[in-house]
Amino acid sequence: AQSVTQPDIHITVSEGASLELRCNYSYGATPYLFWYVQSPGQGLQLLLKYFSGDTLVQGIKGFEAEFKRSQSSFNLRKPSVHWSDAAEYFCAVAEDKIIFGKGTRLHILP
Amino acid sequence: DTAVSQTPKYLVTQMGNDKSIKCEQNLGHDTMYWYKQDSKKFLKIMFSYNNKELIINETVPNRFSPKSPDKAHLNLHINSLELGDSAVYFCASSQAPSAPYEQYFGPGTRLTVT
Repeated sequence: AQSVTQPDIHITVSEGASLELRCNYSYGATPYLFWYVQSPGQGLQLLLKYFSGDTLVQGIKGFEAEFKRSQSSFNLRKPSVHWSDAAEYFCAVAEDKIIFGKGTRLHILP
Repeated sequence: DTAVSQTPKYLVTQMGNDKSIKCEQNLGHDTMYWYKQDSKKFLKIMFSYNNKELIINETVPNRFSPKSPDKAHLNLHINSLELGDSAVYFCASSQAPSAPYEQYFGPGTRLTVT
């Protein structure tokens, strides 16, 4: 059965620092992978997605993610975070239905 | 211009009451969903409809009954509300029911049962 693990419940980084949020999945075939962001009091917004092809995908707001089949990972990165990036981040994998990870809360220090 | 809208945004009610949450999407999508997000932010799918037909029905108490009058609407009715129903409920839509179509989420309805 497909599953998604986000090992970090909370991550704190300083504004301007680089960011990497981890995501590991369990899936039999080539997965469809997504990263969503949820700002406080808001719904989820798609940051980026991977279906096939280039394993480094670019998303909105300066985010990127790299699919590594050998590590069953799809980590999200940003070279320099802004205070407005403070939010909850969800990794998701999809086949017949989408399964979300439990989320990583990102805190930004001024 | 709102793609997926939900009403109400906040809902406070007492145990035992019956309440409904409405969802509408103007994206022309065929598939709509209801999710429940608990206090720990865990997001779990409850139902999915494709062209007004129920296609996903997770293990949800039968006090929860979705209704899809047309492709653009998916409402959620909850009978005999319990304290444990307190959560944020999100509606979402996608072009089709399966991957690789991403889902577009509404702003959520925060339900508080007292």
